[in-house]
Amino acid sequence: AQSVSQHNHHVILSEAASLELGCNYSYGGTVNLFWYVQYPGQHLQLLLKYFSGDPLVKGIKGFEAEFIKSKFSFNLRKPSVQWSDTAEYFCAVTKYSSASKIIFGSGTRLSIRP
Amino acid sequence: NAGVTQTPKFRILKIGQSMTLQCAQDMNHNYMYWYRQDPGMGLKLIYYSVGAGITDKGEVPNGYNVSRSTTEDFPLRLELAAPSQTSVYFCASSSGLAGGLSSYEQYFGPGTRLTVT
Repeated sequence: AQSVSQHNHHVILSEAASLELGCNYSYGGTVNLFWYVQYPGQHLQLLLKYFSGDPLVKGIKGFEAEFIKSKFSFNLRKPSVQWSDTAEYFCAVTKYSSASKIIFGSGTRLSIRP
Repeated sequence: NAGVTQTPKFRILKIGQSMTLQCAQDMNHNYMYWYRQDPGMGLKLIYYSVGAGITDKGEVPNGYNVSRSTTEDFPLRLELAAPSQTSVYFCASSSGLAGGLSSYEQYFGPGTRLTVT
């Protein structure tokens, strides 16, 4: 069965620090990969997605993620975080060409010290 | 477009009561989903639908029922509420059209916070 692991449950950084959130998935076939963000009191929204092509994907608000197929990873990065990046971040995976079931990781809470 | 709307925003139920969580979308999306979000557990898929009249179980369907009589609406029914169903419930939709890169992006509603005591 597919699963998604986010090993960092809570990350605390100071403003301007660099960010990397880990995401590993277990599925042997071709996959679609996503990062969603949930700001405090708001609903989930898409940050970025990977379907095929360039494994380095750029999203909104300066975020990017790199798909490393050999490591089954899709880590999220941002070179310099801001206080407004305080949120919960969810990695998700779905089987290629399947929109019916997306498996979400347990989430990483990011707290930014001003 | 309003996107995905959910009602109510908050609800407190007593054990054994029933209720329906409403979800509607105005994007003409084929796929709709119900998730529950428990602290530290991420989102778990309860039920999903690939079109009007078609529903299927997700990862945690026990204690819930759904129906999809129209493209727009996808209500979630809780029968005999239990404390284990205390959670935040999110409805989502996606277009689900094969071949389109945007088809797998899910749009989420604001959530319903349910407490069962």
